[in-house]
Amino acid sequence: NAGVTQTPKFQVLKTGQSMTLQCAQDMNHEYMSWYRQDPGMGLRLIHYSVGAGITDQGEVPNGYNVSRSTTEDFPLRLLSAAPSQTSVYFCASSLRGTGRSYEQYFGPGTRLTVT
Amino acid sequence: AQSVTQLDSQVPVFEEAPVELRCNYSSSVSVYLFWYVQYPNQGLQLLLKYLSGSTLVESINGFEAEFNKSQTSFHLRKPSVHISDTAEYFCAVSFPPPHYKLSFGAGTTVTVRA
Repeated sequence: NAGVTQTPKFQVLKTGQSMTLQCAQDMNHEYMSWYRQDPGMGLRLIHYSVGAGITDQGEVPNGYNVSRSTTEDFPLRLLSAAPSQTSVYFCASSLRGTGRSYEQYFGPGTRLTVT
Repeated sequence: AQSVTQLDSQVPVFEEAPVELRCNYSSSVSVYLFWYVQYPNQGLQLLLKYLSGSTLVESINGFEAEFNKSQTSFHLRKPSVHISDTAEYFCAVSFPPPHYKLSFGAGTTVTVRA
């Protein structure tokens, strides 16, 4: 298993540009989520999904869109990039439901800089 | 509202010395607790978790954490650290239901020196 994969690893955008961060998992996990990591703030939940066709907002959703058309993929779209979106983005996945281990598996991250 | 507080942002420690990383949470309901580790330029890996049962949980690489419900704490300890333990450590809490949504603390950077 490849686990959780993310592309690209690094990206530089100009203010106002749009782009999609890709996330895929091959573990048949129902739950997938996107976090952003900023110094001194830990990880904050952007959006999450509990299955194909179901998404919901997390703590910091503004400026981001998601969709979940398949179990495997959960892309994150930046509609109009702003310098405040400079961050490291992590995708994670896990099983859901009672009796599970609740361990979330994280991808390697995408480092995004908006100038 | 639930929250997670890691009381130390930076912890320098000498090799073979003990280390304790403190984590407190606030919640009016029962929670699940986790410690994740992030090595430089990598993603997060689960270190250990408390779901129920024994309040002392251990990892395979010598870390342990104790859940204290009355103090709402989940402190992480290791009796003797190695250079390879240099990393950032995150305490995380999931609030039922559903348990898969995590709230993270701000992180504690552990730097182990020879």
